[in-house]
Amino acid sequence: NAGVTQTPKFQVLKTGQSMTLQCAQDMNHEYMSWYRQDPGMGLRLIHYSVGAGITDQGEVPNGYNVSRSTTEDFPLRLLSAAPSQTSVYFCASKPGLATDTQYFGPGTRLTVL
Amino acid sequence: TQLLEQSPQFLSIQEGENLTVYCNSSSVFSSLQWYRQEPGEGPVLLVTVVTGGEVKKLKRLTFQFGDARKDSSLHITAAQPGDTGLYLCADPAYNQGGKLIFGQGTELSVKP
Repeated sequence: NAGVTQTPKFQVLKTGQSMTLQCAQDMNHEYMSWYRQDPGMGLRLIHYSVGAGITDQGEVPNGYNVSRSTTEDFPLRLLSAAPSQTSVYFCASKPGLATDTQYFGPGTRLTVL
Repeated sequence: TQLLEQSPQFLSIQEGENLTVYCNSSSVFSSLQWYRQEPGEGPVLLVTVVTGGEVKKLKRLTFQFGDARKDSSLHITAAQPGDTGLYLCADPAYNQGGKLIFGQGTELSVKP
């Protein structure tokens, strides 16, 4: 199993550009989520999904869209990038809502100029 | 929203020293998780504590959950350079859609 994979590893955008961060897992996990990590602030939840076709907002959803058309994939879209979205983005998955261990991907480091 | 405060934010010690990091909450935890994150990687779960007063050991790491379930500590004995990383506590928040709520982390550097 590859676990949770994220692409790209690094990305530089200009203000106003759009892009999609990819996340995939091969563990047949129902629950997937996106976090952003900023210095001194830990990880903050952006969006999450409890299964294909179901998504919901986390703590910091503004400026981000998600969809979950398959169990395996959970892409994160930035429609119009802003410098405040410069961060490291982590995707995570776990078997179900109430299960314990969440598995994180290696992260995408995004810089918005 | 539950707030998790970790202390200290930064810790730099010599190999062989002992250390303790703390995680405190404004309200009662349902349970509490500790993660370790190495540079360039995602967090990895170390342990989950559930019961007030619970103590769990993982080799040289000892995790304690406060009796009132509002605080937790991580103690490392005889730290090694391989222990270097960011240590994060998190509330699994099972009653809030399973959303992890993280503390801001403790950055540990162990020098040889």
